[in-house]
Amino acid sequence: AQKVTQAQTEISVVEKEDVTLDCVYETRDTTYYLFWYKQPPSGELVFLIRRNSFDEQNEISGRYSWNFQKSTSSFNFTITASQVVDSAVYFCALSEANTGRRALTFGSGTRLQVQP
Amino acid sequence: DGGITQSPKYLFRKEGQNVTLSCEQNLNHDAMYWYRQDPGQGLRLIYYSQIVNDFQKGDIAEGYSVSREKKESFPLTVTSAQKNPTAFYLCASSSRYRDSNQPQHFGDGTRLSIL
Repeated sequence: AQKVTQAQTEISVVEKEDVTLDCVYETRDTTYYLFWYKQPPSGELVFLIRRNSFDEQNEISGRYSWNFQKSTSSFNFTITASQVVDSAVYFCALSEANTGRRALTFGSGTRLQVQP
Repeated sequence: DGGITQSPKYLFRKEGQNVTLSCEQNLNHDAMYWYRQDPGQGLRLIYYSQIVNDFQKGDIAEGYSVSREKKESFPLTVTSAQKNPTAFYLCASSSRYRDSNQPQHFGDGTRLSIL
């Protein structure tokens, strides 16, 4: 069965520090998709990125970067020069292409607090 | 603007009462989902619907019911059989359920509490 593990429950950093959020996944499917979502205090989930299992190229978007490694089943998220507005809960999620379940499986989330 | 609207934002339930959470989307998406979020936990899937008049149980469907009479609407009823309903409920949609590469779009959520 599919599973997503976010071992870091809460991380606290000071503004301008770099921070990495870890995500480890399990799946038996050969084709799958990995997502990161941000949940600010207001509650809604905001989509950040999607990664395909057959594309291990890392991605950078402004201060955000993602490191996908199939060999370690990890899809880590790094925020460079963190800002107070980055404070939120971040979720990693997995969906499978070939099994019966196409809905997202979420990790338990990592709460990031960025102190000014 | 296209999006998902959940109402109410806060809801209180009395013992033995059924309550219904509303979810409406104008994204023309076929698939819709209901998730439950408890403190310190990720989102768990309650029900999902691939198309109108179709829905399937997710991981924690007991004590909940849904309907999908219109493409835009996917209401969730929390029945009296759900003994621990206090949680944050999120509705989501995606273009098609089969397209598992498509991100889901989420509403702002409904926070349900017991009186």
